[in-house]
Amino acid sequence: RKEVEQDPGPFNVPEGATVAFNCTYSNSASQSFFWYRQDCRKEPKLLMSVYSSGNEDGRFTAQLNRASQYISLLIRDSKLSDSATYLCVVRGSFNNAGNMLTFGGGTRLMVKP
Amino acid sequence: GAVVSQHPSWVICKSGTSVKIECRSLDFQATTMFWYRQFPKQSLMLMATSNEGSKATYEQGVEKDKFLINHASLTLSTLTVTSAHPEDSSFYICSASFLPEDRGGSPLHFGNGTRLTVT
Repeated sequence: RKEVEQDPGPFNVPEGATVAFNCTYSNSASQSFFWYRQDCRKEPKLLMSVYSSGNEDGRFTAQLNRASQYISLLIRDSKLSDSATYLCVVRGSFNNAGNMLTFGGGTRLMVKP
Repeated sequence: GAVVSQHPSWVICKSGTSVKIECRSLDFQATTMFWYRQFPKQSLMLMATSNEGSKATYEQGVEKDKFLINHASLTLSTLTVTSAHPEDSSFYICSASFLPEDRGGSPLHFGNGTRLTVT
């Protein structure tokens, strides 16, 4: 089982649609969670951190479920510019040799006019 | 905000040559930098962790003699791909954290990546 798993997609949605991605992680000791966005042939860019209480940034909402070990990203009112690959990223427990980020394989989103 | 600069953005080299990639933190001191590699349609894979003033820590399966890492200052880490071969063609990305590791929780900021093509 992969440490961080995502549905690779692609998710093809029309403009204005609401789309949700899930991501599961295997290490219950994971401490921090992030969603990154990566455009084709570009570096990943931080979209948002994911907090235990859930958090929202404009059209984007992230949630964390520690009991089930998954995080989610909801995008409302999709724009053409939202087309990208969304990477689920998990950080291990503090102060150990594995204190670094593990990336999911990414979920590709394509928003159509 | 924090900026990580990577150079060059792309490079084409002949098989057998060496290529050096630089990663700089522009407005913060990065005690730790990470080097990733990404093949087409695959996720980022951590290659090594670069610590300022000490030897890099390599992930399993990554040859330390082939991928030389030097982190000589708090703002610069370099990755040298020695005796490059076509199978080394990939997208190499560095990243850095500007919070001490023992505080955790900080996201990483990435350089713009280097696309290496070995012919």
